[in-house]
Amino acid sequence: DAMVIQNPRYQVTQFGKPVTLSCSQTLNHNVMYWYQQKSSQAPKLLFHYYDKDFNNEADTPDNFQSRRPNTSFCFLDIRSPGLGDAAMYLCATSRDGGPAGDHYGYTFGSGTRLTVV
Amino acid sequence: QKEVEQNSGPLSVPEGAIASLNCTYSDRGSQSFFWYRQYSGKSPELIMFIYSNGDKEDGRFTAQLNKASQYVSLLIRDSQPSDSATYLCAVIYTGFQKLVFGTGTRLLVSP
Repeated sequence: DAMVIQNPRYQVTQFGKPVTLSCSQTLNHNVMYWYQQKSSQAPKLLFHYYDKDFNNEADTPDNFQSRRPNTSFCFLDIRSPGLGDAAMYLCATSRDGGPAGDHYGYTFGSGTRLTVV
Repeated sequence: QKEVEQNSGPLSVPEGAIASLNCTYSDRGSQSFFWYRQYSGKSPELIMFIYSNGDKEDGRFTAQLNKASQYVSLLIRDSQPSDSATYLCAVIYTGFQKLVFGTGTRLLVSP
């Protein structure tokens, strides 16, 4: 089945130690997103790639970076994780819109739960 | 600032009752509306999608959209304990392909 896969499912990292989360997709969607979701909060968009074009949200800290080496893969790099970065990180994909009101085929991965110790 | 508002709950209903979840949004340019279910520690799961005014039914779920009032709701008929989860409302705004989420409503269905 076509899907969005995130690895690892759980990640424990030390305070200040760089960490990378990965996302792959078999949907051939051109847009990939990274969301951060803290406990009891809404998912918050960090950035997205439209094809190779990187789009950063205005309030995303510089500590967060992303790479998309090809259509299938996208990485989230946290350069110096702090305790406040502990969260669920969700990768999602979508395709270009079709007719009016299209749902863009939004698909979420299972998420990576990041713990900072 | 494009905002999506939901009552955080919890909304408690007995098994078999109808659960009514509500969402308002700030931008009249909103195009498409989603309801996601999220169990604790899991990723969001799409329940319903609606873009036209009126009702859309899928099994026990009915989404209702009123663009004039900037209001979208989700009705769950014959609520089951397995429906206990957080329900996230999300919106796509015209000209943007990004989903904007509300903070979610926690639903508790008691046996």
